[in-house]
Amino acid sequence: GAVVSQHPSWVICKSGTSVKIECRSLDFQATTMFWYRQFPKQSLMLMATSNEGSKATYEQGVEKDKFLINHASLTLSTLTVTSAHPEDSSFYICSAAQGFGEQYFGPGTRLTVT
Amino acid sequence: AQKVTQAQTEISVVEKEDVTLDCVYETRDTTYYLFWYKQPPSGELVFLIRRNSFDEQNEISGRYSWNFQKSTSSFNFTITASQVVDSAVYFCALIGGAAGNKLTFGGGTRVLVKP
Repeated sequence: GAVVSQHPSWVICKSGTSVKIECRSLDFQATTMFWYRQFPKQSLMLMATSNEGSKATYEQGVEKDKFLINHASLTLSTLTVTSAHPEDSSFYICSAAQGFGEQYFGPGTRLTVT
Repeated sequence: AQKVTQAQTEISVVEKEDVTLDCVYETRDTTYYLFWYKQPPSGELVFLIRRNSFDEQNEISGRYSWNFQKSTSSFNFTITASQVVDSAVYFCALIGGAAGNKLTFGGGTRVLVKP
């Protein structure tokens, strides 16, 4: 099956700093990538959908200026959490898809903001 | 709007017992896909099955089986002879045609298999 990687797998940062998370499709070209956030003991909530070469589409309630998404190539999307606060601490998961095909999930990035 | 409901938040069983996870969905699309994923403590989602709306055949894969019933909008998942390694959170999810390929997840069911 297709492989999606995320980097870093975990990160601790101080409040007010920015953190970048990378999502890469290793063996296929992903026209669409998705970013999810999962709080402890909760389900995955879609944050945004990004298509290569165009602006991301954010779900209602997600601040686009705080969660910057860039999908610069068919194998890489990045999520930058700007001016992070403790309430942004969460598990961030990306997935990648070819067109309307199946989504392949990355292993997730655990962000802790102190 | 699409919705997936997993009414059971947590199920605890003893090893070798069978466990069935319920999933009820809502969609106005005639073409849609249903999924089950396993999320072990490590956090990585593991794909288990995809079923399209035109295929109501039940499926069995080893100790796993799925029962899809369009008449009741349900897609239930059964683990037979559960093992400790089955302990995880299981998510049911839906993609409907109108939503493109955006997945709608259910709330998840935590399964705890005790030795």
